[in-house]
Amino acid sequence: DADVTQTPRNRITKTGKRIMLECSQTKGHDRMYWYRQDPGLGLRLIYYSFDVKDINKGEISDGYSVSRQAQAKFSLSLESAIPNQTALYFCATSDRVRPQGYTEAFFGQGTRLTVV
Amino acid sequence: GQNIDQPTEMTATEGAIVQINCTYQTSGFNGLFWYQQHAGEAPTFLSYNVLDGLEEKGRFSSFLSRSKGYSYLLLKELQMKDSASYLCAGAGSYQLTFGKGTKLSVIP
Repeated sequence: DADVTQTPRNRITKTGKRIMLECSQTKGHDRMYWYRQDPGLGLRLIYYSFDVKDINKGEISDGYSVSRQAQAKFSLSLESAIPNQTALYFCATSDRVRPQGYTEAFFGQGTRLTVV
Repeated sequence: GQNIDQPTEMTATEGAIVQINCTYQTSGFNGLFWYQQHAGEAPTFLSYNVLDGLEEKGRFSSFLSRSKGYSYLLLKELQMKDSASYLCAGAGSYQLTFGKGTKLSVIP
């Protein structure tokens, strides 16, 4: 089983619908992230969470919300989906920053979302 | 800002050596990551540089110059399976900031 699991893997939804993407991890990491990836734009951070009570907006949070239900679960919601939210969405986790000053991110397999 | 720049696409021949460059603004990052991403798949960790110099790991090496805001990923003895996107990412105190990625095509 994957250490970081995203569901669903693929989803097509209609404009205006609410949709939730789910992420769960078995790595025991405190930090979880949601990124979206668009062709030519790279990975952009939507939200991140350092623990259950600590949630922060990333670079492109407008139109999205998140919930950290437990250390292992971090879900991303699109309250009213629009076509320009069509993208590949990745959940990632990382451990606390190490003494060397960095922390490696581990990614889920991605959710391909299409809004029509 | 913390812009990260890398070439959009590169092509190289099987068995050859290729160097993928990455430049960034020097403030705000503790080091540089390189990730590999095959089309439609998750990024996977390749290397991390926190100090200046070259880090070698098998066929892959990564170099960092913090004063110049410059890093490169060196791939030796290219194989067809190395065709992928290579993502340079700056390591901040709480997140990674990614460049747009370099799509590498390895041809016979």
